[in-house]
Amino acid sequence: DAGVTQSPTHLIKTRGQQVTLRCSPKSGHDTVSWYQQALGQGPQFIFQYYEEEERQRGNFPDRFSGHQFPNYSSELNVNALLLGDSALYLCASSLRKPSYEQYFGPGTRLTVT
Amino acid sequence: AQKITQTQPGMFVQEKEAVTLDCTYDTSDPSYGLFWYKQPSSGEMIFLIYQGSYDQQNATEGRYSLNFQKARKSANLVISASQLGDSAMYFCAMREATNFGNEKLTFGTGTRLTIIP
Repeated sequence: DAGVTQSPTHLIKTRGQQVTLRCSPKSGHDTVSWYQQALGQGPQFIFQYYEEEERQRGNFPDRFSGHQFPNYSSELNVNALLLGDSALYLCASSLRKPSYEQYFGPGTRLTVT
Repeated sequence: AQKITQTQPGMFVQEKEAVTLDCTYDTSDPSYGLFWYKQPSSGEMIFLIYQGSYDQQNATEGRYSLNFQKARKSANLVISASQLGDSAMYFCAMREATNFGNEKLTFGTGTRLTIIP
């Protein structure tokens, strides 16, 4: 049973560029959440997708957008990258109900230069 | 808004000793849940233990136990008989219901635990 997978593992981008990160949820899970973890900090909630719609959003600008596909996989897009976007981006999957167990992927480490 | 506070940035513990990692929380919701996650240097968040606000007994999972003191709003993680492989970052987190009815997690800043041989 595959757990949550994310790609790519590492990514280096230049300021102003755009990036797309990908996540495949654990088998049977229908909800995907994205978190940003800056160095030395705890993860911060970005948004959550269920049934291909964004259901909840944290305190992140519109430069951060996402998508969920019919197979429940998800993408996180960040436009106009800033140096401060450098972080580990974690994807977590869960079931709509019961929902409290969230399984995390290994993350994508994004470096913006 | 919910808040999680972890006041120990780092801890050093001798192998085979027990260790307690502190976590206090703040919420106005009567129904909530508290998690502890372990994050090794690889980055993946590994679920350790969960405590629901209405659970009567403290949660235990193998060498991990959660010392839940509701009146004091604390949810400390206790690791018994520590091992070298326990060296990692540890995060306390609280689940918060979203408008949608699903839940998101609010994390503390973490404690870096180092086990000394």
